[in-house]
Amino acid sequence: AQKITQTQPGMFVQEKEAVTLDCTYDTSDQSYGLFWYKQPSSGEMIFLIYQGSYDEQNATEGRYSLNFQKARKSANLVISASQLGDSAMYFCAMRASGTYKYIFGTGTRLKVLA
Amino acid sequence: NAGVTQTPKFQVLKTGQSMTLQCAQDMNHEYMSWYRQDPGMGLRLIHYSVGAGITDQGEVPNGYNVSRSTTEDFPLRLLSAAPSQTSVYFCASSRDRYTEAFFGQGTRLTVV
Repeated sequence: AQKITQTQPGMFVQEKEAVTLDCTYDTSDQSYGLFWYKQPSSGEMIFLIYQGSYDEQNATEGRYSLNFQKARKSANLVISASQLGDSAMYFCAMRASGTYKYIFGTGTRLKVLA
Repeated sequence: NAGVTQTPKFQVLKTGQSMTLQCAQDMNHEYMSWYRQDPGMGLRLIHYSVGAGITDQGEVPNGYNVSRSTTEDFPLRLLSAAPSQTSVYFCASSRDRYTEAFFGQGTRLTVV
Protein backbone atom coordinates (compact mmCIF):
# COMPACT_ATOMS: atom_id res chain seq x y z
CA ALA A 1 0.00 0.00 0.00
CA GLN A 2 1.13 3.53 -0.67
CA LYS A 3 1.53 5.93 2.19
CA ILE A 4 2.84 9.40 2.88
CA THR A 5 4.05 10.29 6.36
CA GLN A 6 4.59 13.80 7.66
CA THR A 7 5.78 13.53 11.25
CA GLN A 8 5.86 17.24 12.10
CA PRO A 9 2.37 18.50 12.95
CA GLY A 10 3.72 22.01 13.55
CA MET A 11 6.93 23.91 12.95
CA PHE A 12 8.21 27.37 13.82
CA VAL A 13 10.91 29.25 11.93
CA GLN A 14 12.34 32.71 12.27
CA GLU A 15 11.84 35.06 9.36
CA LYS A 16 14.70 34.92 6.80
CA GLU A 17 15.89 31.53 8.05
CA ALA A 18 15.62 28.24 6.16
CA VAL A 19 13.30 25.44 7.24
CA THR A 20 12.94 21.79 6.27
CA LEU A 21 9.60 20.03 6.27
CA ASP A 22 9.87 16.26 6.41
CA CYS A 23 8.09 13.78 4.18
CA THR A 24 8.64 10.07 3.89
CA TYR A 25 6.77 7.78 1.56
CA ASP A 26 6.13 4.13 1.06
CA THR A 27 5.52 2.53 -2.30
CA SER A 28 6.52 -0.57 -4.20
CA ASP A 29 6.23 1.24 -7.53
CA GLN A 30 9.37 2.16 -9.40
CA SER A 31 7.86 5.13 -11.16
CA TYR A 32 6.06 7.81 -9.18
CA GLY A 33 5.85 11.53 -8.60
CA LEU A 34 6.15 13.52 -5.41
CA PHE A 35 4.44 16.86 -4.91
CA TRP A 36 4.27 19.58 -2.31
CA TYR A 37 1.28 21.84 -1.84
CA LYS A 38 0.76 24.89 0.34
CA GLN A 39 -2.56 25.67 1.98
CA PRO A 40 -2.74 29.17 3.48
CA SER A 41 -5.40 30.12 5.98
CA SER A 42 -7.65 31.17 3.10
CA GLY A 43 -7.98 27.49 2.26
CA GLU A 44 -6.86 27.11 -1.34
CA MET A 45 -4.32 24.48 -2.37
CA ILE A 46 -1.28 25.89 -4.13
CA PHE A 47 1.18 23.70 -6.01
CA LEU A 48 4.80 24.32 -5.03
CA ILE A 49 7.13 21.72 -6.48
CA TYR A 50 7.33 18.32 -8.19
CA GLN A 51 9.93 15.56 -8.19
CA GLY A 52 9.81 12.52 -10.43
CA SER A 53 11.23 9.26 -9.12
CA TYR A 54 13.63 9.03 -12.05
CA ASP A 55 14.81 12.62 -11.81
CA GLU A 56 18.47 12.60 -10.90
CA GLN A 57 18.59 16.16 -9.68
CA ASN A 58 16.62 17.63 -6.83
CA ALA A 59 13.81 19.88 -7.97
CA THR A 60 13.98 23.60 -7.26
CA GLU A 61 11.42 26.36 -7.71
CA GLY A 62 12.55 29.74 -6.49
CA ARG A 63 12.91 29.55 -2.70
CA TYR A 64 11.59 26.00 -2.65
CA SER A 65 13.72 22.93 -3.13
CA LEU A 66 12.99 19.27 -2.69
CA ASN A 67 15.62 17.15 -0.96
CA PHE A 68 14.94 13.81 -2.64
CA GLN A 69 16.63 10.75 -1.13
CA LYS A 70 15.25 7.79 -3.01
CA ALA A 71 16.96 5.05 -1.02
CA ARG A 72 15.57 6.51 2.20
CA LYS A 73 12.21 7.21 0.56
CA SER A 74 12.19 10.77 1.71
CA ALA A 75 11.17 13.95 -0.10
CA ASN A 76 11.74 16.84 2.25
CA LEU A 77 10.74 20.37 1.32
CA VAL A 78 13.29 23.08 2.02
CA ILE A 79 12.14 26.69 2.14
CA SER A 80 14.98 29.17 2.10
CA ALA A 81 14.78 32.73 3.45
CA SER A 82 11.39 32.24 5.08
CA GLN A 83 8.84 35.00 4.77
CA LEU A 84 5.80 35.78 6.89
CA GLY A 85 3.63 34.79 3.94
CA ASP A 86 5.04 31.28 4.12
CA SER A 87 2.96 30.63 7.23
CA ALA A 88 0.55 27.92 6.09
CA MET A 89 -0.18 24.22 6.10
CA TYR A 90 2.07 22.19 3.82
CA PHE A 91 1.10 18.86 2.30
CA CYS A 92 3.32 16.24 0.74
CA ALA A 93 1.64 14.01 -1.84
CA MET A 94 2.56 11.09 -4.08
CA ARG A 95 1.18 9.77 -7.31
CA ALA A 96 2.21 6.46 -8.80
CA SER A 97 2.83 6.56 -12.51
CA GLY A 98 0.14 4.06 -13.36
CA THR A 99 -2.59 6.00 -11.63
CA TYR A 100 -4.09 9.43 -11.41
CA LYS A 101 -4.63 9.10 -7.67
CA TYR A 102 -2.88 11.33 -5.20
CA ILE A 103 -2.02 10.09 -1.73
CA PHE A 104 -1.64 12.96 0.73
CA GLY A 105 0.15 13.24 4.03
CA THR A 106 -1.54 14.77 7.06
CA GLY A 107 0.30 18.04 6.66
CA THR A 108 2.69 20.27 8.60
CA ARG A 109 1.60 23.65 9.87
CA LEU A 110 4.42 26.16 9.51
CA LYS A 111 4.49 29.43 11.42
CA VAL A 112 7.04 32.05 10.45
CA LEU A 113 7.98 34.39 13.28
CA ALA A 114 8.89 38.04 12.78
CA ASN B 1 -7.98 32.55 -15.98
CA ALA B 2 -10.79 30.79 -14.11
CA GLY B 3 -8.99 27.45 -13.62
CA VAL B 4 -11.12 25.19 -11.41
CA THR B 5 -14.35 26.70 -10.12
CA GLN B 6 -16.32 25.17 -7.28
CA THR B 7 -19.72 26.21 -6.09
CA PRO B 8 -21.00 26.81 -3.50
CA LYS B 9 -18.24 27.94 -1.12
CA PHE B 10 -20.31 27.25 1.97
CA GLN B 11 -23.33 25.04 2.56
CA VAL B 12 -25.33 23.87 5.54
CA LEU B 13 -27.52 20.80 5.09
CA LYS B 14 -29.88 18.94 7.32
CA THR B 15 -29.37 15.23 7.80
CA GLY B 16 -31.02 13.34 4.97
CA GLN B 17 -31.01 16.18 2.48
CA SER B 18 -29.33 15.77 -0.88
CA MET B 19 -27.29 18.26 -2.82
CA THR B 20 -24.79 18.63 -5.63
CA LEU B 21 -21.41 20.29 -5.39
CA GLN B 22 -20.48 21.79 -8.72
CA CYS B 23 -17.01 21.72 -10.26
CA ALA B 24 -15.97 23.13 -13.61
CA GLN B 25 -12.57 23.60 -15.22
CA ASP B 26 -11.66 25.52 -18.34
CA MET B 27 -8.21 24.03 -18.98
CA ASN B 28 -9.39 21.07 -21.06
CA HIS B 29 -7.98 18.66 -18.49
CA GLU B 30 -8.94 15.02 -18.86
CA TYR B 31 -8.43 14.08 -15.24
CA MET B 32 -10.70 15.42 -12.50
CA SER B 33 -11.18 14.34 -8.92
CA TRP B 34 -12.94 15.10 -5.66
CA TYR B 35 -11.28 15.09 -2.25
CA ARG B 36 -12.47 15.70 1.24
CA GLN B 37 -10.29 17.31 3.88
CA ASP B 38 -10.82 16.53 7.52
CA PRO B 39 -8.71 17.77 10.44
CA GLY B 40 -5.62 15.65 11.00
CA MET B 41 -6.31 13.43 8.00
CA GLY B 42 -5.02 15.31 5.00
CA LEU B 43 -6.98 15.01 1.76
CA ARG B 44 -8.72 11.78 0.85
CA LEU B 45 -9.88 10.84 -2.61
CA ILE B 46 -13.63 10.35 -3.03
CA HIS B 47 -14.12 9.80 -6.78
CA TYR B 48 -12.18 10.55 -9.88
CA SER B 49 -12.61 10.64 -13.64
CA VAL B 50 -10.07 10.14 -16.43
CA GLY B 51 -12.33 11.56 -19.11
CA ALA B 52 -15.91 12.20 -20.12
CA GLY B 53 -18.05 9.17 -19.39
CA ILE B 54 -15.41 7.48 -17.21
CA THR B 55 -15.49 7.59 -13.42
CA ASP B 56 -14.12 5.45 -10.63
CA GLN B 57 -14.11 5.24 -6.86
CA GLY B 58 -11.40 6.56 -4.63
CA GLU B 59 -10.62 5.88 -1.02
CA VAL B 60 -13.87 7.11 0.58
CA PRO B 61 -16.69 6.85 -2.02
CA ASN B 62 -19.61 5.80 0.17
CA GLY B 63 -22.47 8.29 0.23
CA TYR B 64 -21.32 10.12 -2.90
CA ASN B 65 -22.09 9.85 -6.59
CA VAL B 66 -20.39 11.42 -9.57
CA SER B 67 -20.88 11.62 -13.30
CA ARG B 68 -18.84 13.17 -16.11
CA SER B 69 -20.91 14.06 -19.12
CA THR B 70 -18.49 16.72 -20.40
CA THR B 71 -14.76 17.35 -20.11
CA GLU B 72 -15.42 20.57 -18.22
CA ASP B 73 -17.82 19.50 -15.49
CA PHE B 74 -17.55 16.98 -12.67
CA PRO B 75 -20.35 17.36 -10.10
CA LEU B 76 -20.37 15.54 -6.77
CA ARG B 77 -23.72 14.42 -5.41
CA LEU B 78 -24.50 13.72 -1.79
CA LEU B 79 -27.41 11.34 -1.83
CA SER B 80 -28.57 11.58 1.79
CA ALA B 81 -26.37 13.86 3.87
CA ALA B 82 -25.02 12.61 7.18
CA PRO B 83 -23.11 14.49 9.89
CA SER B 84 -20.03 12.38 9.02
CA GLN B 85 -19.96 14.18 5.67
CA THR B 86 -19.23 17.49 7.34
CA SER B 87 -15.95 18.41 5.72
CA VAL B 88 -14.18 20.66 3.26
CA TYR B 89 -14.47 19.38 -0.28
CA PHE B 90 -11.98 20.07 -3.03
CA CYS B 91 -12.28 19.48 -6.73
CA ALA B 92 -9.06 19.15 -8.70
CA SER B 93 -8.02 18.68 -12.30
CA SER B 94 -4.78 17.83 -14.05
CA ARG B 95 -3.60 17.50 -17.61
CA ASP B 96 -2.05 14.10 -17.17
CA ARG B 97 -0.50 11.73 -14.64
CA TYR B 98 2.80 13.56 -14.52
CA THR B 99 1.76 17.13 -13.90
CA GLU B 100 0.42 18.93 -10.89
CA ALA B 101 -3.23 19.11 -9.96
CA PHE B 102 -5.07 22.42 -9.92
CA PHE B 103 -7.51 22.76 -7.07
CA GLY B 104 -10.73 24.67 -6.69
CA GLN B 105 -11.26 27.01 -3.75
CA GLY B 106 -13.06 24.36 -1.74
CA THR B 107 -16.58 23.95 -0.37
CA ARG B 108 -17.11 23.95 3.37
CA LEU B 109 -20.06 21.67 4.03
CA THR B 110 -21.77 21.31 7.40
CA VAL B 111 -24.42 18.65 7.97
CA VAL B 112 -26.56 19.19 11.05
